[in-house]
Amino acid sequence: EPEVTQTPSHQVTQMGQEVILRCVPISNHLYFYWYRQILGQKVEFLVSFYNNEISEKSEIFDDQFSVERPDGSNFTLKIRSTKLEDSAMYFCASRGQVPEAFFGQGTRLTVV
Amino acid sequence: GEDVEQSLFLSVREGDSSVINCTYTDSSSTYLYWYKQEPGAGLQLLTYIFSNMDMKQDQRLTVLLNKKDKHLSLRIADTQTGDSAIYFCAVPNSGGYQKVTFGTGTKLQVIP
Repeated sequence: EPEVTQTPSHQVTQMGQEVILRCVPISNHLYFYWYRQILGQKVEFLVSFYNNEISEKSEIFDDQFSVERPDGSNFTLKIRSTKLEDSAMYFCASRGQVPEAFFGQGTRLTVV
Repeated sequence: GEDVEQSLFLSVREGDSSVINCTYTDSSSTYLYWYKQEPGAGLQLLTYIFSNMDMKQDQRLTVLLNKKDKHLSLRIADTQTGDSAIYFCAVPNSGGYQKVTFGTGTKLQVIP
């Protein structure tokens, strides 16, 4: 079965540093998403991406965040200057024309 | 915005049926999802149901949708210890890019 893959599985970074979380969506999917889950809390929508541009973003997705699809296969989330409260599990998801939205295994980001 | 609610915890004995309930506010979604999250793992799509259906059965899983009451349930027949996980109800918004609002998650504990 095709799957969404995310790297790294765990990233530890110092406060103020930039991090890039990487995702390889399922090929031929058209819609791409990032979500996050702070420990013990809800899964929250961050951003959706379609046709090489952001289609929707949440209030969480401020100027510190950016997304990119640099080479037509990878889909990245960059956090420019990490804060302690950015510590969370970050999930990438992709979807084709059909309803199924598939999620990756997540990247656990720990900001120290 | 969309509000999706679930009870937090459910405990069942192995072999019994489990019923996980979800209520939502946006009735315009064309389909609704159930995801499973095992400890430390990603979000696994279990099943989805179109909003014009009342019921969908998929092996041990039965999804019931009461659109009038905005109530969705997931029944797991013959629950096994491997079914222990957090189950999320998820509702896409009615916009074209289909961002998903997740419920609070129900932690299912299966007692041997």
